Amino acid sequence: DGGITQSPKYLFRKEGQNVTLSCEQNLNHDAMYWYRQDPGQGLRLIYYSQIVNDFQKGDIAEGYSVSREKKESFPLTVTSAQKNPTAFYLCASSMTSAGIEKLFFGSGTQLSVL
Amino acid sequence: GQSLEQPSEVTAVEGAIVQINCTYQTSGFYGLSWYQQHDGGAPTFLSYNALDGLEETGRFSSFLSRSDSYGYLLLQELQMKDSASYFCAVRGGGGNKLTFGTGTQLKVEL
Repeated sequence: DGGITQSPKYLFRKEGQNVTLSCEQNLNHDAMYWYRQDPGQGLRLIYYSQIVNDFQKGDIAEGYSVSREKKESFPLTVTSAQKNPTAFYLCASSMTSAGIEKLFFGSGTQLSVL
Repeated sequence: GQSLEQPSEVTAVEGAIVQINCTYQTSGFYGLSWYQQHDGGAPTFLSYNALDGLEETGRFSSFLSRSDSYGYLLLQELQMKDSASYFCAVRGGGGNKLTFGTGTQLKVEL
């Protein structure tokens, strides 16, 4: 089945630790995104990539890093510099067909701080 | 930058019609889209408007007025399963980013 796979579903981070969230897609989409969602809030853009080996900062990139070495993969690292990392993290890819743009989301990773 | 405003909460009864409004500010507008998210789940695409007017997809319709920087999502024949959060999102601005609103929580009651 085609889709976006995020892992793990739940992740715990200790103080001072870097953690990496995985995002893989087999939809052959060029563009991929990472969003952060806090309880009762909207989605805030962390990083996005429109093509392999290229990515741009979103609105809240501080304390996060990404890579895009393969079309299928867009991992997000939450570094120790991110002082408030507890949130629901959503990865997405997008396609535009017949002038309609659609984002396809993974099932998310809930990150909590120990 | 970009910003979007939508009501935080809307309540309606089963079988009714509800409209969720979205106003936005952006430069270089490309399109307005709508997503549905059930509690604990992933957002799913509902509708997209790049041009002015109404787009209809089954019970859901979406409207855009670019001159007013305004759009809405119309849900007809409401069902209990429509209880969810609804987000509008606009593509535009520097970097051609896709920015989401803070979401409208729709509660459908009997």
